[in-house]
Amino acid sequence: QVQLVESGGGVVQPGKSLRLSCAVSGFTFGSNAMHWVRQAPGRGLEWLAFISYEGSVKYYADSVKGRFAISRDNSRNALYLQINSLRPEDTAVYYCAKDLATHYSCDYWGHGALVTVSS
Amino acid sequence: QSALTQPPSASGSPGQSVTIPCTGTRSDVGGYNFVSWYQHHPGKAPKLIIYEVTKRPSGVPDRFSGSKSGNTASLTVSGLQAEDEADYYCSSYADSKWVFGGGTKLTVL
Repeated sequence: QVQLVESGGGVVQPGKSLRLSCAVSGFTFGSNAMHWVRQAPGRGLEWLAFISYEGSVKYYADSVKGRFAISRDNSRNALYLQINSLRPEDTAVYYCAKDLATHYSCDYWGHGALVTVSS
Repeated sequence: QSALTQPPSASGSPGQSVTIPCTGTRSDVGGYNFVSWYQHHPGKAPKLIIYEVTKRPSGVPDRFSGSKSGNTASLTVSGLQAEDEADYYCSSYADSKWVFGGGTKLTVL
């Protein structure tokens, strides 16, 4: 079955960097686009970034453009999110999600990784 | 991009129907038939229940239905069941970006 497992979360000091990973199985990773979405405490879902199946096309939310970077390694079935210059407002659960091809939706999600930005 | 507008809460008794609206603009909901709805039980992975405004993924009960008129999309849950109590989020594609609504907490009374 389809599985997405996020890792790399934890407590990080403001200004530091962090790389989240998402390990996938149960589908042909290299044929599917992917997303990152987050949920801050007490808040709703916020879309962050999209990457095409081969990695050549990347889109970002205006709120994170220039500070977040999405990437993928199809040989390792892995998706990544690099977060630089972390701010307290980046504290959230970060989800990776599989794109439902041509339908502009996310059909499978991981359980999320908690990132806490605090000194 | 601004978040889509959803009511923070909705409720209904078992067996009743409830409709959750999601209002956007011509740049998102009104401009594309790419509205999705997600069910999210806290602590679990969000689940896609509606895509392309009206389509249901395999395995999603037909008690869940979607519609759209102008800049407002809606999710209707018919025959409410206790397990439907969750947070519901709408989302729309918007020209190389995606935008979510603020979420609606559905309570089954």
